[in-house]
Amino acid sequence: QLQLQESGPGLVKPSETLSLTCTVSGASISDSNYYWDWIRQPPGKELEWIGNVAYGGTTYYKASLKSRVTMSVDTSKNQFSLRLNSVTAADTAVYYCARHRGALNWFHPWGQGTLVTVSS
Amino acid sequence: DIQMTQSPSSLSASVGDRVTITCRASQSISSHLNWYQQRPGIAPRLLIYDASILQSGDPSRFSGSGSGTDFTLTISSLQPEDFATYHCQQSHSTPFTFGQGTTLEIK
Repeated sequence: QLQLQESGPGLVKPSETLSLTCTVSGASISDSNYYWDWIRQPPGKELEWIGNVAYGGTTYYKASLKSRVTMSVDTSKNQFSLRLNSVTAADTAVYYCARHRGALNWFHPWGQGTLVTVSS
Repeated sequence: DIQMTQSPSSLSASVGDRVTITCRASQSISSHLNWYQQRPGIAPRLLIYDASILQSGDPSRFSGSGSGTDFTLTISSLQPEDFATYHCQQSHSTPFTFGQGTTLEIK
């Protein structure tokens, strides 16, 4: 059974870099049929798609975040990661990792989510 | 970006009620609309994809319909475990966008 699990610091200082990892179990991250996504939900706000990365390293980022986002895949650990630099309080959110198949752009499954707070 | 608008934002209902949630896209998205259920403190889970296809294992009391810009999620007879927040998401074009969510509460 495919499972995704986010990990990383729960507290990041303003202007620093948020780094999260998603560990995939039950499937290979090297499967070229799939994209690996990051989605976040600020407190009391709607879900926001951040972007995704594919096995070969191809990435798609939301335009408004593109200048601050980097996503990558580590096939040796069956993990993918998110880096968001120059964070502010507006980046405080629950961050989820998820998967979608090719052009079938629905997200399934999702990780349990991890809360990241940006505060000094 | 395609804007997704859900209504209502919250809804009070009783076990056994039939409820309908609406999602409207700011431009045509064909049938590229998905619904997620999110129980408190838990990640969203896919419920319906491509507007009307029920995810495997989910009960048939859930149904989705619509195309173009207007979509609905209907629960035919509410059960206690259905009280949650429901999100729509367009998968027509990037950036993929979500509605603001509809919280279904027990009356």
